[in-house]
Amino acid sequence: QVHLVESGAATEKPGASVRVSCKASGYKFIAYYLHWVRQAPGQGLEWMGEINPRNSETKSAQKFQGRVTMTSDTSISTAFLELRTLTSEDTAVYYCARYRDFGSGSYYDFWGQGTLVTVSS
Amino acid sequence: QSALTQPASVSGSSGQSITISCSGTSSDAATYHLVSWYQQHPGKAPQLLIYEVNKRPSGVSDRFSGSKSGSTASLTISGLQTEDEAVYICCSYAGGNTFVVFGGGTRLTVI
Repeated sequence: QVHLVESGAATEKPGASVRVSCKASGYKFIAYYLHWVRQAPGQGLEWMGEINPRNSETKSAQKFQGRVTMTSDTSISTAFLELRTLTSEDTAVYYCARYRDFGSGSYYDFWGQGTLVTVSS
Repeated sequence: QSALTQPASVSGSSGQSITISCSGTSSDAATYHLVSWYQQHPGKAPQLLIYEVNKRPSGVSDRFSGSKSGSTASLTISGLQTEDEAVYICCSYAGGNTFVVFGGGTRLTVI
């Protein structure tokens, strides 16, 4: 069955960068987009961006452009999110989620367990 | 501020039905029949309940149903059970640079 397993919790200082990984299994990795969604403590979900593992094309939300890099390694079925110049407002749980695209209904059918990133001096 | 508007909380008695609304704009829910709903228990990842407004994935109870009128989508849960206590989050395709928008989530309490 489908699994998305994310890397463990991270604590970073303000101004630093963080890299979160998302290892997929149980399906053909290049066949589905992966999205990154974050959730600050006690807050709602926020869409960050997507990657197409087939060709590594990415889209990101305007507020993260220039500060986020999404990549994937098809040899290990893993997607990566790097977020730079962290501030306390980046403290959140970061989720990867498999996205069924516009033509298939535009929804998330599987989610990773989430990675807590804490930004603190 | 979330792009889709949901009530912060709703409550209902065990066995009753409740409906959670999700109001969008002409840029998202009104334009697209691509609203999905997720259930999130504390400390857990969201789980898909409904997609394309009213479709249920296999394994989701038929006590959960969705609908949409204009720019407002709704999730109805019938026969409330204690395990339904969770946060319910709506989501819509929005296209363009926004791509996907979420509601702020509605906490359901089963009395």
